[in-house]
Amino acid sequence: DQQVKQNSPSLSVQEGRISILNCDYTNSMFDYFLWYKKYPAEGPTFLISISSIKDKNEDGRFTVFLNKSAKHLSLHIVPSQPGDSAVYFCAASGPNFGNEKLTFGTGTRLTIIP
Amino acid sequence: KAGVTQTPRYLIKTRGQQVTLSCSPISGHRSVSWYQQTPGQGLQFLFEYFSETQRNKGNFPGRFSGRQFSNSRSEMNVSTLELGDSALYLCASSLAPRTNYGYTFGSGTRLTVV
Repeated sequence: DQQVKQNSPSLSVQEGRISILNCDYTNSMFDYFLWYKKYPAEGPTFLISISSIKDKNEDGRFTVFLNKSAKHLSLHIVPSQPGDSAVYFCAASGPNFGNEKLTFGTGTRLTIIP
Repeated sequence: KAGVTQTPRYLIKTRGQQVTLSCSPISGHRSVSWYQQTPGQGLQFLFEYFSETQRNKGNFPGRFSGRQFSNSRSEMNVSTLELGDSALYLCASSLAPRTNYGYTFGSGTRLTVV
């Protein structure tokens, strides 16, 4: 049962434009969400997080939006740069002991076209 | 500040053998999590330790086990290796579970079972 889903395996965006990566979740207990970026042969790198008490969090070029009623979050990258080409994973966790583990989506490969 | 160190980086084992992987977290981090990454399944949670106690466990068979030492270093062990255990094993550390600063991942150990 895939509780965190990234339905787009890949996405191509022109350099300078906005990249929007989407993530859906099914577990209503999740209240903490994160985005990670992964280059080949490296571990994932933490990008940005959001808790369920907020609907938006911004950090430089990266903004995460959370729509709790739709159980949907998205990552916006503006403007997109060639170095942003990587696989992006969203992850979620719940509040209770035993439910705190991060559940990851299957990832979206973002390619920025120069 | 040193990052999360995983050893060895690469490992080739034969079916039926057992293997031990090591993870040294960032200094001061007391939470260590382990993940298995395969092309089809993405990142699958194995277990999380905090202050030498296992807090969370994923849906893996009992052949997969782990422990954490008093210095927060962690090991995971896989016994009776199967071909399907071939994967990238990632370790992540954080100050505590569900910190707002996310988890820092190591570069992983690539295990190949032949």
